[in-house]
Amino acid sequence: QQQVKQSPQSLIVQKGGISIINCAYENTAFDYFPWYQQFPGKGPALLIAIRPDVSEKKEGRFTISFNKSAKQFSLHIMDSQPGDSATYFCAASDTNAGKSTFGDGTTLTVKP
Amino acid sequence: DTGVSQDPRHKITKRGQNVTFRCDPISEHNRLYWYRQTLGQGPEFLTYFQNEAQLEKSRLLSDRFSAERPKGSFSTLEIQRTEQGDSAMYLCASSFHRRWAYNEQFFGPGTRLTVL
Repeated sequence: QQQVKQSPQSLIVQKGGISIINCAYENTAFDYFPWYQQFPGKGPALLIAIRPDVSEKKEGRFTISFNKSAKQFSLHIMDSQPGDSATYFCAASDTNAGKSTFGDGTTLTVKP
Repeated sequence: DTGVSQDPRHKITKRGQNVTFRCDPISEHNRLYWYRQTLGQGPEFLTYFQNEAQLEKSRLLSDRFSAERPKGSFSTLEIQRTEQGDSAMYLCASSFHRRWAYNEQFFGPGTRLTVL
């Protein structure tokens, strides 16, 4: 049973455009929703995270939108740059359990 | 200490051999996690420790897998009698766990295992 579903699998965006990646979860015990960025040959690096008591969080060009009733959250990358080309993973965790459940990833390509 | 380190970065072995990976977490972190990542997939949870206690193991962790964190610092993950299906990237992460707080996990670079 996949508890975190991520879409799309791949995304191509022009430089300066907006990249949008969506995730949906099933387990209502999840209370922490991070997004990770992974470059080839590297481990995932935390990009931005949100708690379910807020509907949006913005850090620079990256914004998470969260819809608790729909059990969905999304990552928006504004003014996408070629350096943003990477694989992005959403994840969800239950704070006291600690472990994270990851989506299958979205490969983002930003064309110059 | 600038982050989580893992050793080796790459391991090629023959089917049936045993392999051991090491993870050194960020020094003040009390939780250490092992994940496995295959191509085109997100990391899958294997097991985690709080200090030296192993608190949870995934059903993915067969009897051939064992992990230890003997002094609550570094951890080792051993795979016995490796199979081709064990080929994957093995990721280690650490966090400083405080009850009722959100604990950011910091990942290492991973160990890529290839079983021939």
